[in-house]
Amino acid sequence: DQQVKQNSPSLSVQEGRISILNCDYTNSMFDYFLWYKKYPAEGPTFLISISSIKDKNEDGRFTVFLNKSAKHLSLHIVPSQPGDSAVYFCAATPSNSNSGYALNFGKGTSLLVTP
Amino acid sequence: ETGVTQTPRHLVMGMTNKKSLKCEQHLGHNAMYWYKQSAKKPLELMFVYSLEERVENNSVPSRFSPECPNSSHLFLHLHTLQPEDSALYLCASSQEGVAGGNTDTQYFGPGTRLTVL
Repeated sequence: DQQVKQNSPSLSVQEGRISILNCDYTNSMFDYFLWYKKYPAEGPTFLISISSIKDKNEDGRFTVFLNKSAKHLSLHIVPSQPGDSAVYFCAATPSNSNSGYALNFGKGTSLLVTP
Repeated sequence: ETGVTQTPRHLVMGMTNKKSLKCEQHLGHNAMYWYKQSAKKPLELMFVYSLEERVENNSVPSRFSPECPNSSHLFLHLHTLQPEDSALYLCASSQEGVAGGNTDTQYFGPGTRLTVL
């Protein structure tokens, strides 16, 4: 049973525009959320995270928004660049490892930024 | 990030073979992880080692056998696998291990693409 869902397998955005990647989760124990980025033939690399005590975290062109009541988070990339083309994975976990150590991943959204 | 390396990058094996996947981290981290990514599925955690001690085994079949001889090396020994075990196997490491809880950033290797014939 998938606890983290990324319902859009792919997204195409023009260079310079905003990319919005969405993620939904079902487990109310999740209180720490991450985005990873993956290029072909490479492992996922950490991009940005957010704790449930915040509703927004910003790092340069990347901003993650968290809506706890809706169990929804999104990653905004502004402005999008061709080098941002990659697969983006959303992950969620309880911050307390007493519940285990699993990062629960979504299936990923493939972002293509066109010139 | 080149701090986590995995060998081999590609492996093809028969169902009766025995092979091993190797992971090495050069980051001085205390925890290491094995993940499996099957086609059309999300990454699934298989094993977690913290300070060389296995702290989680996520209901993985015994045909997968992990080994962590020290905090820098992690192996996944494979024997009598099935075709459905074909997947990308990813290794990761994190700084604090158990003490860091689950907010410790995990750094991934490039993975081993395994095909079982």
